[in-house]
Amino acid sequence: GQSLEQPSEVTAVEGAIVQINCTYQTSGFYGLSWYQQHDGGAPTFLSYNALDGLEETGRFSSFLSRSDSYGYLLLQELQMKDSASYFCAVKGGGATNKLIFGTGTLLAVQP
Amino acid sequence: EAQVTQNPRYLITVTGKKLTVTCSQNMNHEYMSWYRQDPGLGLRQIYYSMNVEVTDKGDVPEGYKVSRKEKRNFPLILESPSPNQTSLYFCASSFRLGSYEQYFGPGTRLTVT
Repeated sequence: GQSLEQPSEVTAVEGAIVQINCTYQTSGFYGLSWYQQHDGGAPTFLSYNALDGLEETGRFSSFLSRSDSYGYLLLQELQMKDSASYFCAVKGGGATNKLIFGTGTLLAVQP
Repeated sequence: EAQVTQNPRYLITVTGKKLTVTCSQNMNHEYMSWYRQDPGLGLRQIYYSMNVEVTDKGDVPEGYKVSRKEKRNFPLILESPSPNQTSLYFCASSFRLGSYEQYFGPGTRLTVT
C-alpha cells in the first residue's frame, strides 16, 4: 500500500523558519508534491520534487531524499497568511494520475 | 482567468434525494478528478477521467457516478445520497495524465441528513 505521514500540527512565530516533514511508503515513486489549503478552501500547488535535493520557490523550499523516503517543506520569513494546512502528496503510478495525500499539517503562525 | 468552478458551493439535502455537483474547467485540461475530504483522512479520490468518455474509479467510488461528455465538464452524481457522504468535495484538473500539478475547484460542502 501507499501511505504518507506528517505531523498533525506545527506552531511558529512570525518571521521564523519552520520545517514540515513528510515520510512516505509507496509501491512506486513518481515524485513528491506539496499543497497549501487555507481553512477548507481549494488546495493550491506549492512545489514538486522528482529528484533528490532542494527546490526553492521564493520563501518556500522543498526537499526530497528518495533513499530515505522523506521530504520536507521549508517556509522562511513566516507571515500570518502562511497559517494554513499543508499536505504532502505522492503521485500514484499507472493510469490514475492519482495524488495520494497525507493527512495534512496545520501550521499556526503566531505574532 | 484560468480556473475550476464547482456548483453548488454548499448543499444540505436529505437521504435518497438525487443530486448533481457540477465541475467545469476552462484550461482545456484532459485530466479531471473528484476528491472528498474528511477530517483526519485527508483527500481521497472518488473518480477520475483521462479524457472525454473515459472515466474510472478512484479509491472511494461507492455511491457516486460521473460522466465526461465534454472536455470541460465533469459532474459528480449522487443517485441516492446517504449521511456518510456528508463531506467536502473537490474537483481537480490537470493538463494531462502524468502532470504533477493539479488545479482544484473551490469545494462543495455537502450535508446529507
